[in-house]
Amino acid sequence: AQKITQTQPGMFVQEKEAVTLDCTYDTSDPSYGLFWYKQPSSGEMIFLIYQGSYDQQNATEGRYSLNFQKARKSANLVISASQLGDSAMYFCAMRANTGNQFYFGTGTSLTVIP
Amino acid sequence: KAGVTQTPRYLIKTRGQQVTLSCSPISGHRSVSWYQQTPGQGLQFLFEYFSETQRNKGNFPGRFSGRQFSNSRSEMNVSTLELGDSALYLCASSALAEPSTDTQYFGPGTRLTVL
Repeated sequence: AQKITQTQPGMFVQEKEAVTLDCTYDTSDPSYGLFWYKQPSSGEMIFLIYQGSYDQQNATEGRYSLNFQKARKSANLVISASQLGDSAMYFCAMRANTGNQFYFGTGTSLTVIP
Repeated sequence: KAGVTQTPRYLIKTRGQQVTLSCSPISGHRSVSWYQQTPGQGLQFLFEYFSETQRNKGNFPGRFSGRQFSNSRSEMNVSTLELGDSALYLCASSALAEPSTDTQYFGPGTRLTVL
């Protein structure tokens, strides 16, 4: 069975500071992908970053980086230099190569404080 | 390249009615997935279509159905609407070249309210 766990329902961060959103996963498939999405209050899910299970280096996309610790089965999202526009729900997701569905976590609500 | 489009954006229906939602994927994407999002249940997978065939299905009653056309556009239908069907319905498309690298791109969603 595949599972994604996000244990932080809500997080606060000061503007311009960095913040880490936690995500742990469980799968028996050796080949899988990990994804982070941002959902502003408008509702649309915006793709942020991808990490493959065989990738040797942590993924980075602008101010977003993924802290991938395979042995611990964690894929934490790091947002550097937080901006007010970063306030949103953030979802961690996984899809294994066995081709089953995407599995999403319950999300973390991030609020950036001016 | 145009993104995923969903119509309508907002919909109000009454209990017992049926509804059809539409999704047009990104050009070249052959996989379309549907999700239901509610405050209580979070994001739940409904089904995935690839090349007009249902590839995966979530744990929803038979009132929820879908289909995909030859141009990859997809529709989902909910019959005999219940109050609990009020939700944001999200559609996502992907190329599905290989599942583990398959990034899904989402549309803006259809917000359904059942009265």
